[in-house]
Formats: sequence, structure tokens, C-alpha cells
Amino acid sequence: RKEVEQDPGPFNVPEGATVAFNCTYSNSASQSFFWYRQDCRKEPKLLMSVYSSGNEDGRFTAQLNRASQYISLLIRDSKLSDSATYLCVVTYSGTYKYIFGTGTRLKVLA
Amino acid sequence: DVKVTQSSRYLVKRTGEKVFLECVQDMDHENMFWYRQDPGLGLRLIYFSYDVKMKEKGDIPEGYSVSREKKERFSLILESASTNQTSMYLCASMSQNAATQYFGPGTRLLVL
Repeated sequence: RKEVEQDPGPFNVPEGATVAFNCTYSNSASQSFFWYRQDCRKEPKLLMSVYSSGNEDGRFTAQLNRASQYISLLIRDSKLSDSATYLCVVTYSGTYKYIFGTGTRLKVLA
Repeated sequence: DVKVTQSSRYLVKRTGEKVFLECVQDMDHENMFWYRQDPGLGLRLIYFSYDVKMKEKGDIPEGYSVSREKKERFSLILESASTNQTSMYLCASMSQNAATQYFGPGTRLLVL
């Protein structure tokens, strides 16, 4: 079983739709969690950190469920420009190492 | 803004050649990383460095070496390139006091 798992998609949604992705992780010692966004043929860029209490940044909401060992990303009012691959990242305390999921591809359709 | 630059965006090399990929960051970050990204496999850590002249193996170090002679620069070396090293190579840096990694634009390497 992979340490961090994501549904690869693609998720095809119309503009204005709400879409949610989950990411499961296997190691309960996981400490920090992030969502990165990667556009086609570009580098990953930090979208948002994920805090225990959940956090929101505009149309984006991230949640952490430690009991079930998953994090989620909710995108409201999808825009064409949201089309990208969303990478889930997990880290452990005392290490610099990032564990990446393989990404979930989102296509927002006009 | 953090800036991480990589020496080449695209590179074509022949099997057996020695290949140097360079990465430079301008934020005085202590930690630097080299990953490769392949379809279906995601990003995999090759090597990382937490200080000048310090290095640690990542998950897939075989066939690679690294060099960090200056804090801002982290080089990845393919001693004898092979076709299975065709990939997208991404460099990242991170401050000692934070958990966010910043990535360079990547180098697409094709080994023929």
C-alpha cells in the first residue's frame, strides 16, 4: 500500500461546480499536510497547508481527519483556471522529507 | 518571493554521458532537494542536503550523486546516463524553520 494515496481522476466538472478530492495516508505519525497545485509541464506550487481545525482560503477549503487518516480539498465555484493536478503532501515530525501522492487531475469545463 | 532556478529546462543526452543538473536558490535556505517525477509514480526523492557539504540519500539514489559546495547551489550528477533516467527533474529548497518546499521550474531530461 502506498504511503499517500490519491484518486488520479480526471475529475471533469463544469464551471461553477463544487468539487472535492480526498487523500489518504497510512502512517499515523504524519505531522504536517499540504496541498500543492501543479499545472501541466510546470513545477508544483503550494496551494495551502492543512491545519487540524480545517482552513479556508477563498474558494478553497482544506480539512484533516486524523482518526480516518485522510485530508480533503474542496473547491467551490470552480473556474477554468483551476484545471490542474492537485498533489497531496504528508510530512513527519523531525524530518525534512515530503511524501507526495501521485496527484488528482481536475479539468474544469466551459 | 523565493526563487529557485534550474540550469536547463530541456536537455537531451546520450547513454553513457555524464550529466550535470544545477539548482540555485536565492533565499538562504539550508535544505535543498532533488526529485524526479514520472507519470503514475509521482515525485520521488533522489537526494537531499541540509547544509553545505552534507547530503543524504532519498528513496531512489542509485545512479545519481550530488554536490553542495555552496549554500545556494545543489547539483545533481548522473555519472553515466541511462535511458531509464529519462524524466522530469525537480529541485526544491526549504528553510530550516519552515515546512514549505519551493520548487524550481524543472528540467526535462531525455536520454537516448
